[in-house]
Formats: sequence, structure tokens, C-alpha cells
Amino acid sequence: QVQLQESGPGLVTPSETLSLTCTVSGASFSTYSWSWIRQPAGGGLEWIGRIYSHGDPTYNSSLKSRVTMSVDTSKKQFSLKVTSVTAADTAVYYCARDIYGSGSYFDYWGQGTLVTVSS
Amino acid sequence: QSALTQPASVSGSPGQSITISCTGTSSDIGTFNLVSWYQQHPGKAPKLIVSEVSKRPSGVSDRFSGSKSGNTASLTISGLQPEDEADYYCCSYAGRTTLAYVFGTGTTVAVL
Repeated sequence: QVQLQESGPGLVTPSETLSLTCTVSGASFSTYSWSWIRQPAGGGLEWIGRIYSHGDPTYNSSLKSRVTMSVDTSKKQFSLKVTSVTAADTAVYYCARDIYGSGSYFDYWGQGTLVTVSS
Repeated sequence: QSALTQPASVSGSPGQSITISCTGTSSDIGTFNLVSWYQQHPGKAPKLIVSEVSKRPSGVSDRFSGSKSGNTASLTISGLQPEDEADYYCCSYAGRTTLAYVFGTGTTVAVL
């Protein structure tokens, strides 16, 4: 079955760069687009951005100046970088398969990884 | 783009039906039939329960049903069960020129 797994540091220093990777298994990586979504403790979900297997990312306009997404098709991985982080970026970060263009929903999610921004 | 508006909490007794509303604008829910709903239990990842306003993925109970009228989408849970106690989020496509997806504020469902 389709599985997604986030990985990366759980603690990031303020003003530094948050970096996460999502590894996909059990699915045709090249056929779909892939998204990052985050959730602060006790808060709601926020879509960060989407990337296709060939690239061409789309970002949430509120985060666009600090976010970069990339993809490594050979490893079936996609990555997220958020620069100049603050405490407001502390959240559980999820990667998800994005059924974009034929329904626009997220059908498979990773388990999530908590990233804390603190010195 | 602001988050879609959901009631903070909804409660019901086992066996009852409840409805969760999700109010957006003409730029998102009002224009696109691309509303999805997610169920999230504490400490778990969200799970897709409705896509494209009213479609249920394979394996999702038919007690969950979605609908839309104007700028408001709704999720109805019929025959409420203890395991339905969770947080529920709506989500809408908001157009390529904006932030693309907007989530709802979330609703906590309590089974009394």
C-alpha cells in the first residue's frame, strides 16, 4: 500500500533553515503530485505547497518567500526547506499525496514529524 | 486567503446525526466542487473521508456524507458512534492564482 514517511531534524534554531524529506513507497511516484501540510500544536491545518515529480512547485502565498520544495524521482523523495524560521514555524509537518487536477484532495498522508523552533 | 469557517465544536449522542458546516467564499467553495473532508484522531494524521464535495473513498463508512450549497459545504455524520469522536477539517481548492488550497478552522466532534 502507499506509504509516506517524513524525516529531518526535530529541533531548529531560530533564523536557521528547516529541512524535511518525505520518502514515498508503494506508489507510482511520477504519476502524482505531492504536498506539504503543517499543523501547530492545538491548531488547524495549513497547506504549504505542492510539487510534481517533474518539479514545477506551487506555494502558499503566505509562505512563498521562505519556502522551497524539490524532488528526487530516483529516490522517490520530495523535500521542503523553510528559511528564517521563528517560533511560529513550530508545528507537526505532514507530507501527503496530492490528487491535484482530478479531484484536488490528499488521499495518503505521512505520520507527521514535529519540528520545534527553539534556541 | 482566510481559512474556511467551521464551528469549533459539535456534539451528539450515539445514534444521532450531526452536521458540520464549512463556510467559504465565491473564490473557493462557491466556485469549485473540490471540497474534501478529513477526520483526525488525537496524535494521528488526518484521514480523507470525503472528496469532491460528496465522494467517499473506498473503505469509508457510508455514515459520512458531504454536500454543498453556495459558499457552504457540509459534512453529515449519521448514526453517530463513539469512534467518530475526533477533529474534522474541510478543505477547498482555491484557484491556481491564490494559495491553491485552503483548510477549515476545524471542528471537534464529541459523542456524549
